[in-house]
Amino acid sequence: EAEVAQSPRYKITEKSQAVAFWCDPISGHATLYWYRQILGQGPELLVQFQDESVVDDSQLPKDRFSAERLKGVDSTLKIQPAELGDSAMYLCASSHWTAEQFFGPGTRLTVL
Amino acid sequence: DQQVKQNSPSLSVQEGRISILNCDYTNSMFDYFLWYKKYPAEGPTFLISISSIKDKNEDGRFTVFLNKSAKHLSLHIVPSQPGDSAVYFCAAPPPGGTSYGKLTFGQGTILTVHP
Repeated sequence: EAEVAQSPRYKITEKSQAVAFWCDPISGHATLYWYRQILGQGPELLVQFQDESVVDDSQLPKDRFSAERLKGVDSTLKIQPAELGDSAMYLCASSHWTAEQFFGPGTRLTVL
Repeated sequence: DQQVKQNSPSLSVQEGRISILNCDYTNSMFDYFLWYKKYPAEGPTFLISISSIKDKNEDGRFTVFLNKSAKHLSLHIVPSQPGDSAVYFCAAPPPGGTSYGKLTFGQGTILTVHP
């Protein structure tokens, strides 16, 4: 069964360092999402791509976060510099013209 | 503004009994809802959905009920099994007929099913 791949699964970093997360969506899925989930809350959208174009990045802290999907397939989310408040689960999801989104296993980020 | 709310942080149920998880929403324009299940250290997995043209959708042990006038939906699990222990999220995509777009999630409810 096709799955969304994410790496790394866990990342520990010190504040002010740079971190990067990678996501490979289900093959053929044009829409890719990055969500952030803080413990005790539901996931919240950071950025949405349609193919290689950004559709919604209104909640992305653009002073420190960046995201790209250069060839419209896999995607990278970067944080530079990381802050203590960035500690969270970063989830990637993909969909193909449906409301149902398929999520990857996530990257658990801890900023010390 | 929390447009989708799950007001019960946790629920504890005995194996074999019914689990009822609740979700309220404030945006009356929402016309489709999804339930996701999430185990620790894993991403959410889709469980069941319902369109606003229906008031009930059933899939095996899982049934979702939608009360549009009350802006309320609930997920029933019958019978509950220990493997159902997880965090359950309700979510809604953008209203207005869009078939894709960001999901607005509730805060989640931790379900624990005791043997």
